[in-house]
Amino acid sequence: AQTVTQSQPEMSVQEAETVTLSCTYDTSENNYYLFWYKQPPSRQMILVIRQEAYKQQNATENRFSVNFQKAAKSFSLKISDSQLGDTAMYFCAFDKYIFGTGTRLKVLA
Amino acid sequence: EAGVAQSPRYKIIEKRQSVAFWCNPISGHATLYWYQQILGQGPKLLIQFQNNGVVDDSQLPKDRFSAERLKGVDSTLKIQPAKLEDSAVYLCASSFWRRDMNTEAFFGQGTRLTVV
Repeated sequence: AQTVTQSQPEMSVQEAETVTLSCTYDTSENNYYLFWYKQPPSRQMILVIRQEAYKQQNATENRFSVNFQKAAKSFSLKISDSQLGDTAMYFCAFDKYIFGTGTRLKVLA
Repeated sequence: EAGVAQSPRYKIIEKRQSVAFWCNPISGHATLYWYQQILGQGPKLLIQFQNNGVVDDSQLPKDRFSAERLKGVDSTLKIQPAKLEDSAVYLCASSFWRRDMNTEAFFGQGTRLTVV
């Protein structure tokens, strides 16, 4: 069975700085997708970034990028130039089925 | 485009009562998901539909929870009878199905259920 672990319950970062959120997972599958979702206080979850396991290249979306280490089963999210609007819960997910417990990120002015 | 619509936004019921949640996915999305998100935890998949067929309901407590997706569009999730531990946010999500890739899920705002 797949599992997803987020070991940082809470993090904070100064505005304009960079922060990295950690995620590890376990699976016996070879082809899969990993996602980072953002859930602001209003509760609606939105996609931040997606990584396909068979792709070597790390995914990037504007200020968001991942460090995907397939052998280590690690999938961290880096947020550059943090903005106040990045304050939210961030969930790492294996496909759409298994979510981690989340990391609450607070961006400080 | 219109997002995933859910209603009601909030519901308070007494234990042993029944409750139903409604979800209208994004037009054209064949896949629909119901998740339960208990406070402080990540969403847990309860059931996945592909059109009007069930793909995965392995984590649905079938003795009290039921879900349907008539005509492959709207969906309802019902709890009968409710227990205190059912207090949670119930999230509906939908996605476009493609054979060659795992598309993202679009989430609704959820229904916060409180069982007292």
